[in-house]
Amino acid sequence: DSGVTQTPKHLITATGQRVTLRCSPRSGDLSVYWYQQSLDQGLQFLIQYYNGEERAKGNILERFSAQQFPDLHSELNLSSLELGDSALYFCASSVGQGDNEQFFGPGTRLTVL
Amino acid sequence: AQTVTQSQPEMSVQEAETVTLSCTYDTSESDYYLFWYKQPPSRQMILVIRQEAYKQQNATENRFSVNFQKAAKSFSLKISDSQLGDAAMYFCAYRSDTGRRALTFGSGTRLQVQP
Repeated sequence: DSGVTQTPKHLITATGQRVTLRCSPRSGDLSVYWYQQSLDQGLQFLIQYYNGEERAKGNILERFSAQQFPDLHSELNLSSLELGDSALYFCASSVGQGDNEQFFGPGTRLTVL
Repeated sequence: AQTVTQSQPEMSVQEAETVTLSCTYDTSESDYYLFWYKQPPSRQMILVIRQEAYKQQNATENRFSVNFQKAAKSFSLKISDSQLGDAAMYFCAYRSDTGRRALTFGSGTRLQVQP
């Protein structure tokens, strides 16, 4: 157990819908990273937050957005869902911005039908 | 932009034998970290080993060791005395120490361990 929690574990929804994925980092960790793992794109970085502020963006679609709240949990919002958005979404956390290790949560499996 | 390449989609090894997984990367940076992550069927991402680019000595963690060749931009993972529990997807990853701190992953190598 990495100490990072993600909810829900599984999510099944329809095209055009909007979903919210939630991540709670390890206690004391200020950085949260979101990654997407899909058959087409492999594992790719989406976005990073540090202490409530956006720090870096990767290949995140405009239909996707994220935020980190004062209690440091983070949410990834996916809207106007398409079939291709079906993937495993990971959240990872680290103490600071440049730590050696990022601790991964168990992921949320999103299926868009 | 940095890229990470794993040219072996699948590898197979006999239990108790040794296997080496390959990884190459491309970067213009001098300060960075390299990682190997294991993803078993549970899908959990587990850090296996990490290497700081400024260290010449190859990292070792029990049965896992790396061969880090900075000039060649190569970072292979050697698993000794392979066990059934080693069967998983293995991802090589790069992280800058000066720029973006997110991980850049390779496409992965699926390792099968034969009893």
